[in-house]
Amino acid sequence: SQTIHQWPATLVQPVGSPLSLECTVEGTSNPNLYWYRQAAGRGLQLLFYSVGIGQISSEVPQNLSASRPQDRQFILSSKKLLLSDSGFYLCAWIPLGRGTDTQYFGPGTRLTVL
Amino acid sequence: AQKITQTQPGMFVQEKEAVTLDCTYDTSDPSYGLFWYKQPSSGEMIFLIYQGSYDQQNATEGRYSLNFQKARKSANLVISASQLGDSAMYFCAMSPSNTGNQFYFGTGTSLTVIP
Repeated sequence: SQTIHQWPATLVQPVGSPLSLECTVEGTSNPNLYWYRQAAGRGLQLLFYSVGIGQISSEVPQNLSASRPQDRQFILSSKKLLLSDSGFYLCAWIPLGRGTDTQYFGPGTRLTVL
Repeated sequence: AQKITQTQPGMFVQEKEAVTLDCTYDTSDPSYGLFWYKQPSSGEMIFLIYQGSYDQQNATEGRYSLNFQKARKSANLVISASQLGDSAMYFCAMSPSNTGNQFYFGTGTSLTVIP
C-alpha cells in the first residue's frame, strides 16, 4: 500500500540549534514530494518541492533547506533555527495510479522553537 | 498569478443541517484541479473531494459535494447532514496544470457543528 510517514511528531528546539525533519513514502517510486509550513491558525505555505532525486525547488527564501537523498525520502533542514520557524510542518506527495494529481499529506511535525 | 480566496474565517451549523463553505479562485491556466481538505484539531490534512476544470458534473463524495461554477470561478464545498465530527478547519486548494503539480491553498474556514 502507498503510505507517507513523518518524524518526529513533535519537536522542541532552542533558537540557533539545527533541525532535521524526515519524510518517507512507501509503495511507489519517483513521487512528487512537497514540504509545507503552517503557522498557528494560518494556511499552508509551500516551502520546497521535488520531482526527483536531487531535484529541489524552493518557493520561499529563508534559513531552511531541503534534500532528497533517495527516491522516497525528503528531508527538511536548518543549520540555525529562528523563533519564526515554529509551526506545523507537513510533507505531501502525489501517489500514482489514483487518477488525479491529488496531494496527500503525512501526519505532520509540530515544531516549537524557544 | 494564482490565487485562492476563502472569505469565511468561521462558520457555525446546526447538527444535521447542510452548510456551504465558499471558495473562489483565480488562474489564467485553462486546465486546473480544485481540492478541498479537512484539518481537525489533530492537525492531519484529510483530502475530501476533487473537481477537474473540464469536468461537466459537480463532484460528490458521500456527504460532500462541490458546487463548481466555472464562469464565476467558484468551487464551494457543501456538507450535507452535518455531524459533530465535521467540526474542523477546511481548506480549498487549486493546482493549475502548468505549475508542476504545485498547490495553492486558501486561508481556511473554521467550521463548528452545534449539537
